Amino acid sequence: QVQLVESGGGVVQFGRSLRLSCTASGFTFSSYGMHWVRQAPGKGLEWVAMISFDGSSKYHADSVKGRFTISRDNSRNTLYLQMDSLRAEDTALYYCAKDGPSVTADYWGQGTLVTVSS
Amino acid sequence: SSELTQDPAVSVALGQTVRITCQGDSLRSYYASWYQQKPGQAPVLVIYDKNRRPSGIPDRFSGSRSGNTASLTITGAQAEDEADYYCDSRDSSGHHLVFGGGTKLTVL
Repeated sequence: QVQLVESGGGVVQFGRSLRLSCTASGFTFSSYGMHWVRQAPGKGLEWVAMISFDGSSKYHADSVKGRFTISRDNSRNTLYLQMDSLRAEDTALYYCAKDGPSVTADYWGQGTLVTVSS
Repeated sequence: SSELTQDPAVSVALGQTVRITCQGDSLRSYYASWYQQKPGQAPVLVIYDKNRRPSGIPDRFSGSRSGNTASLTITGAQAEDEADYYCDSRDSSGHHLVFGGGTKLTVL
């Protein structure tokens, strides 16, 4: 079965960096686009970034453009999110999700929590 | 516009039918997907494409679209359906996703 496991979250100081990982199993990772979606405490879902199946195309939300970078390593079945210049408003649970041909996000991980402190 | 608008809260009596709506210009071009999220859990896809259910999702969940409005209908709501429901779709670029603000469903 499809499994997505995020890691790398934690408490980080304002302005510092953090890299999140998402390890995939149960499907052909190299055939699907992938997303990062975040959820601030008590708030709704916010799309962060998307990467194509082969990593050739990357898209980022305006709120993170220039600070966050999505990437992937298909040989390791792993998705990444490099987060630089972190701000308080980046505090959230970060989910990775699998894209599909007729669906936006059919499988989700359990999330990894990022807390940006001053 | 790339925004999706949902009612913040909806309630339904046990066993009755409830419709949760999602409005936005992108829905004229793309079908919405719908997600159920219970407290402390990750979102779960319940409806996608024109009106498709992933394996394991009860057939009391259905989806539809009219113009710029997508709807999720639960026919015969159960206590376990109490949750937050989010819609999403691709934006006009086809690559960015946009989520609705979520609807909290209470089953009375």
